[in-house]
Order: sequence, then C-alpha cells, then structure tokens
Amino acid sequence: QVQVVESGGGVVQPGKSLRLSCAASGFTFSRYAMHWVRQAPDKGLEWVAVISYDGSTKYYADSVKGRFTISRDYSKNTLYLQMNSLRDEDTAVYYCARDRRMGGQTAKHFDYWGQGTLVTVSS
Amino acid sequence: DIQMTQSPSTLSAFVGDRVTITCRASQSVTGWLAWYQQKPGKAPKLLIYDTSTLESGVPSRFSGSGSETEFTLTISSLQPDDFATYYCQHYNTYPSLTFGGGTKVEIK
Repeated sequence: QVQVVESGGGVVQPGKSLRLSCAASGFTFSRYAMHWVRQAPDKGLEWVAVISYDGSTKYYADSVKGRFTISRDYSKNTLYLQMNSLRDEDTAVYYCARDRRMGGQTAKHFDYWGQGTLVTVSS
Repeated sequence: DIQMTQSPSTLSAFVGDRVTITCRASQSVTGWLAWYQQKPGKAPKLLIYDTSTLESGVPSRFSGSGSETEFTLTISSLQPDDFATYYCQHYNTYPSLTFGGGTKVEIK
C-alpha cells in the first residue's frame, strides 16, 4: 500500500538549518509530484513546496522562498526539504504528501499524507 | 493572494444531523476546490476534489458543491466517525495553494 514516512524533525535554534526526509513506498515514486505541507501548533494547514515528478520544476510558498529547498532522490525513493535560516514561525508539523495525479499536469491537491514530523525552532 | 474563509469555525451537531460547511474565496477559483478531514494528531484525509468529486473510499454521505467563490461541504447524516476538523483548499495555480482556516465539528 502507498506509504510516505517523514523523518528529521527536532528542536533547532533560530537561524540554523535542518533537513527533513520523506521515504515513499507502495507506488512508482518517479511518476508523481510531491509536496510539503506544514501545520503550526493548533493552527491550520499551509502549503510549503512542490517538486515535479521529474524534478525539473519546483515551486515554493512566499513564506519560505529563498530559505527552503525541495529535492528528491529516485534511487532512494525519498523526498527532502532542506530548511535554512529557520525562524520561530517555521515551528510546525511538516507533512509530506503525494499529488493526486501522475505525470506533469499536477492535481495540486493531495491524496496520501505521512504522519508528519515536528520541527521546533526555539532558542 | 487568494484568501479562503471557512464558516463556521466551530459547529456543534448531533449524530444524524445534516451538516453544511461553507468556504468562500476572495476571488474566483473556478472549480479548483478540495476538502479534507483531519482528526487530532493525524494527517489530513482527502474527501472531495474539483468541488464535487468524491475521493475513492469516501462515504457517499459527504458531498461538495459550489462555484467561483462560494463552496459547501455537506454531510447528509453525521456519524460518530465524522467528528473532526474540515479544511477547504483551493488549487488554481502555484504558488498559491491556500487552505481555509478550518471548521471543527463537535458532538452536541
């Protein structure tokens, strides 16, 4: 069955960096765009970034553009989110999510989500 | 950026009630609107996409409707498993994929 499992969260000081990973299984990873979505404690959902099925196209929310980088490793079926210059407001549970549609024309909504990994930015 | 506003923010209802949640967009999102259900400590679950298409495996008591700037999620007969928080999401273009603030459905 389709599974995505995030890891790499933790406590980090403001201004520091952290890399999140998302291991995918149960589907052809190379055929789907993948997204990161975050949720601050007791708050709503915020889309963060997307990478196309072939890795050629990436988009970011304005709130993280220039600080976060999304990437993927097809040999490991793994999605990454490199987070630099972290701020207090980046504190959230970060979810990895699969785009609902295969191929280049992304659906821009999400059919499988991981359980999330908590990132806490605090001095 | 397009803003999505959900109402009400909290809703109290009995099992068996018909429940309607509204999502309003600050400008037209055509029909590019999805709904998710989230239970405490869990990831969101896709219920409906393209305004009214039910995701595979989602019970038929859930339905969606609307267009342009106003959309609704209806639960025809609320079940115990439906008590959760519901989010709408528009998906016109990148990077503007925006969620509503959520509607918490509580037991009355």
